[in-house]
Amino acid sequence: SAVISQKPSRDICQRGTSLTIQCQVDSQVTMMFWYRQQPGQSLTLIATANQGSEATYESGFVIDKFPISRPNLTFSTLTVSNMSPEDSSIYLCSTRQGGYGYTFGSGTRLTVV
Amino acid sequence: GQQLNQSPQSMFIQEGEDVSMNCTSSSIFNTWLWYKQDPGEGPVLLIALYKAGELTSNGRLTAQFGITRKDSFLNISASIPSDVGIYFCAGQGSIGTYKYIFGTGTRLKVLA
Repeated sequence: SAVISQKPSRDICQRGTSLTIQCQVDSQVTMMFWYRQQPGQSLTLIATANQGSEATYESGFVIDKFPISRPNLTFSTLTVSNMSPEDSSIYLCSTRQGGYGYTFGSGTRLTVV
Repeated sequence: GQQLNQSPQSMFIQEGEDVSMNCTSSSIFNTWLWYKQDPGEGPVLLIALYKAGELTSNGRLTAQFGITRKDSFLNISASIPSDVGIYFCAGQGSIGTYKYIFGTGTRLKVLA
């Protein structure tokens, strides 16, 4: 299965600023996914990123707040914009693992102060 | 919308004990996955289930796809300290969709 490298692994940010999270896959993949895991909670899909097209966002998530780039088949970024303390979460990128399921990166633990 | 409820929410067990947890939904799912998340890491796939009634093992882990297709079960035999973590179920509701819904998680703590 693919190996996903995600950075930064953690960050503490001031409210009102933006953070860009990078996700690098060791093989070419068609679809990449971004998840949010709020403290003590489950995983919620933010958006799906396909190379060469606009990301598809899930209900409750908008491009202005979470812009995503997918410049090639091995890389994607997620930006958390104009951050507030409510954005404090773990952000995870993932890709398909064979025909089913996902492989996840190790996550970015974001704290907004 | 679809939701997956996991039970128990958390559990403390003694090393060597067997563990059982389940995942239930009000909707039918076509695929069930079980993941484990260690602190500071992303979830790792443990077992995938593809049809109702299926029973699949991975070492000390055994998972079952419920007959009603609305639930799934995970058992861990002879627990060891490294089993500590959060276990998530995930379900795929529609054939051909890539989206999975994740359960609420079961936090497992093993006492040596």
